[in-house]
Amino acid sequence: ILNVEQSPQSLHVQEGDSTNFTCSFPSSNFYALHWYRWETAKSPEALFVMTLNGDEKKKGRISATLNTKEGYSYLYIKGSQPEDSATYLCAPPQGGKLIFGQGTELSVKP
Amino acid sequence: GAVVSQHPSRVICKSGTSVKIECRSLDFQATTMFWYRQFPKQSLMLMATSNEGSKATYEQGVEKDKFLINHASLTLSTLTVTSAHPEDSSFYICSAGRGQETQYFGPGTRLLVL
Repeated sequence: ILNVEQSPQSLHVQEGDSTNFTCSFPSSNFYALHWYRWETAKSPEALFVMTLNGDEKKKGRISATLNTKEGYSYLYIKGSQPEDSATYLCAPPQGGKLIFGQGTELSVKP
Repeated sequence: GAVVSQHPSRVICKSGTSVKIECRSLDFQATTMFWYRQFPKQSLMLMATSNEGSKATYEQGVEKDKFLINHASLTLSTLTVTSAHPEDSSFYICSAGRGQETQYFGPGTRLLVL
């Protein structure tokens, strides 16, 4: 089973701050990396699927980068808003299934 | 994205009873669905892969007789927690998708066994 680590476990920022967090995964046999966003009382929502080393993807104020050689991905949020409060999960696939990290719980205070 | 529903969203039951949770893909045909369990402060732990028309594939350590999975149609998978005990209390969530591709999640079911 892949060892997927996310840091920090939780993060508290003020509205307007920019923030970022990390997903670390084994770099060998890399296939893809998924990022999900999970708001309280809602379904986890797919944000990005990243496949190529050096990939950078963007969705509004959220962007992600990928380094497959060293086995990490960063998720950035620019100008955080209270509605960005959620748990952000990363998941590389292994053996036909997704292996989820523990998540980073982001809280944005107005 | 695709829509997946889950029912019930919350259930409280007595120890020894069985509880069925339904997972439906509302706008696409899901040949594969996944069942996860989340313990407090921990990640989503995959319990089993549910394949339409065939037996589910259980992860190591998950009792197949305890957690019965049925995937009788392309839009419905059910998870039955048989003879539930307090230690089965948890958050159960399903998803639909193709293995290593994007998965679409239901909203989850909170089970409390008294």
